[in-house]
Amino acid sequence: AQKITQTQPGMFVQEKEAVTLDCTYDTSDQSYGLFWYKQPSSGEMIFLIYQGSYDEQNATEGRYSLNFQKARKSANLVISASQLGDSAMYFCAMRERDSSYKLIFGSGTRLLVRP
Amino acid sequence: DAGVIQSPRHEVTEMGQEVTLRCKPISGHDYLFWYRQTMMRGLELLIYFNNNVPIDDSGMPEDRFSAKMPNASFSTLKIQPSEPRDSAVYFCASSPRGDSPLHFGNGTRLTVT
Repeated sequence: AQKITQTQPGMFVQEKEAVTLDCTYDTSDQSYGLFWYKQPSSGEMIFLIYQGSYDEQNATEGRYSLNFQKARKSANLVISASQLGDSAMYFCAMRERDSSYKLIFGSGTRLLVRP
Repeated sequence: DAGVIQSPRHEVTEMGQEVTLRCKPISGHDYLFWYRQTMMRGLELLIYFNNNVPIDDSGMPEDRFSAKMPNASFSTLKIQPSEPRDSAVYFCASSPRGDSPLHFGNGTRLTVT
């Protein structure tokens, strides 16, 4: 079974608009962390935001926020005020304590910001 | 903080040759991961270490692949003999703790002809 599911292979958003990238996860562990990474066309992996399973508040980092719905096992990334430089691949990932903290990635969503 | 350092950035080799990829993690990071990225299979975890000890190598494709971490500041991923299907970008990443984000190197683009 897929541990991390990203159902949107590709998405478009108009510059300056907000966009939500979906991520659902599968775990029976009580202690886990959820991560989002950005991979621009240059290829590097850039960490964006982290949400711990015990965190009650949704994580925010500048224009990035994580819509964490624990009961639904979803951890959607929201990018506000999209910029052309946000065009990239976005990966959702999870580390579980019971899996000795290995980091598993979803298949990614390619976001294209239109001017 | 120099970040995670991988070498070489690009490697082109012929089928059957031995390939060694190198990684220097961030100082003080206890975890080190090796990933492979291809269009077909996405980001695959190959192996990871905690305090220089391999924890999970179930992602290593076959016996041709081996990884070592002789000390806290150096790791290698070796492919012997290499095959065209090994062509991919190989990433090394490190993290200070189990619940912290991974910091990635810039990757090694391997092409096996």
